[in-house]
Amino acid sequence: DIVMTQSPLSLPVTPGEPASISCRSSQSLLRVNGYHYLDWYLQKPGQSPQLLIYLGSHRASGVPDRFSGSGSGTDFTLKISSVEAEDVGVYYCMQALQTPPTFGPGTRVDIK
Amino acid sequence: EVQLVESGGGFIQPGGSLRLSCVASGFSVTTKYMTWVRQAPGTGLEWVSVSYTDGRTHYADFVKGRFTISRDNPRNTLYLQLNTLTVEDTAIYYCAGGAAYSHGPGAFDLWGRGTLVSVSS
Repeated sequence: DIVMTQSPLSLPVTPGEPASISCRSSQSLLRVNGYHYLDWYLQKPGQSPQLLIYLGSHRASGVPDRFSGSGSGTDFTLKISSVEAEDVGVYYCMQALQTPPTFGPGTRVDIK
Repeated sequence: EVQLVESGGGFIQPGGSLRLSCVASGFSVTTKYMTWVRQAPGTGLEWVSVSYTDGRTHYADFVKGRFTISRDNPRNTLYLQLNTLTVEDTAIYYCAGGAAYSHGPGAFDLWGRGTLVSVSS
């Protein structure tokens, strides 16, 4: 199975400031079609996860444009351009190149 | 409103069985691959199983033949039969759906609120 790691595991943030989370996979997530099969999910406190980003950089429907995904091969980044209080929660990356899909351990984002 | 609603969780002794249900509304399950993801208390997300629209299914290795995923398209419902449960299966079980990827499960854009399975003697 593909192993996913994330850093940092905890990220205190200041509203209005940018934030960044890294995700690394144990093998390249690039498929022959040229897309990277990497998703980002946010699980807000007491809620189920929600899809933020798919194919590494495509924002899901309804996701604010302050969220952006980038990266290639084995290294990916989720960026929040200006953190808002509602962005607190645990962020997970997940590889979908191979079955089983595997999640990173999560990055807990909270307000300083 | 588009939503998924899980049910069927509960408290069960080791070795017992449960059947989880996930009722979809606002869309047809025939348009999405449907999956189960679980989350043990205080831990991260773990993929369990997927049911594709063409009838194929796939399971995580830890299932080891104990779980069976199925769908009832006329009832717009996904199921997960859990057998030979162990304490390690204690978790919230989420039903989720997606359609963006043609080769496998991912980009789960719809999630239910989950149902808690608690296995204890």
